[in-house]
Amino acid sequence: DGGITQSPKYLFRKEGQNVTLSCEQNLNHDAMYWYRQDPGQGLRLIYYSQIVNDFQKGDIAEGYSVSREKKESFPLTVTSAQKNPTAFYLCASSRDQSSYEQYFGPGTRLTVT
Amino acid sequence: GQQVMQIPQYQHVQEGEDFTTYCNSSTTLSNIQWYKQRPGGHPVFLIQLVKSGEVKKQKRLTFQFGEAKKNSSLHITATQTTDVGTYFCAPGSQGNLIFGKGTKLSVKP
Repeated sequence: DGGITQSPKYLFRKEGQNVTLSCEQNLNHDAMYWYRQDPGQGLRLIYYSQIVNDFQKGDIAEGYSVSREKKESFPLTVTSAQKNPTAFYLCASSRDQSSYEQYFGPGTRLTVT
Repeated sequence: GQQVMQIPQYQHVQEGEDFTTYCNSSTTLSNIQWYKQRPGGHPVFLIQLVKSGEVKKQKRLTFQFGEAKKNSSLHITATQTTDVGTYFCAPGSQGNLIFGKGTKLSVKP
């Protein structure tokens, strides 16, 4: 069963702690993306990766970090430097960066108090 | 940077009524994608439009790309409760999508 998995679905953290969100895909896609969604808003791009061992900042990369050591995996770390980390985080992938048909994971809802 | 405006922000309809959402850009777009996000769910790709004046249909859904490639619309005929969700337009640029804020559709049975 091909697709994108994100875990966990809900995550609670205390302010000042770093937290890593998991994203795995078995679609053999080259490109992967991280988005943030706030209530009533569209999706904003945090980071993207076109290929293994390479990634680029999106529109709102401050306070976040990523790695792409394997084609299947693109974890996102929300650092303590991110001022408003509470949000719904969505991971997506596409065949390659020329394809705008992106496949999304189920998302992780992060709450920081 | 490139931005799109979606209107309306919210739409409440009676089941069986039609629904249209509009996506407007101040700049010419190369392409535009439409996604649907069910409540509590994740966005799902619906369609891509690339040609000026293009019209594509998927059952009760009709997608249009304006002649000037600055606007697009999604029309749903005879809405059903399964159409509930938020519809996003998303132009693609340099390999990335720029999502509008979406139109949230609710359908009263």
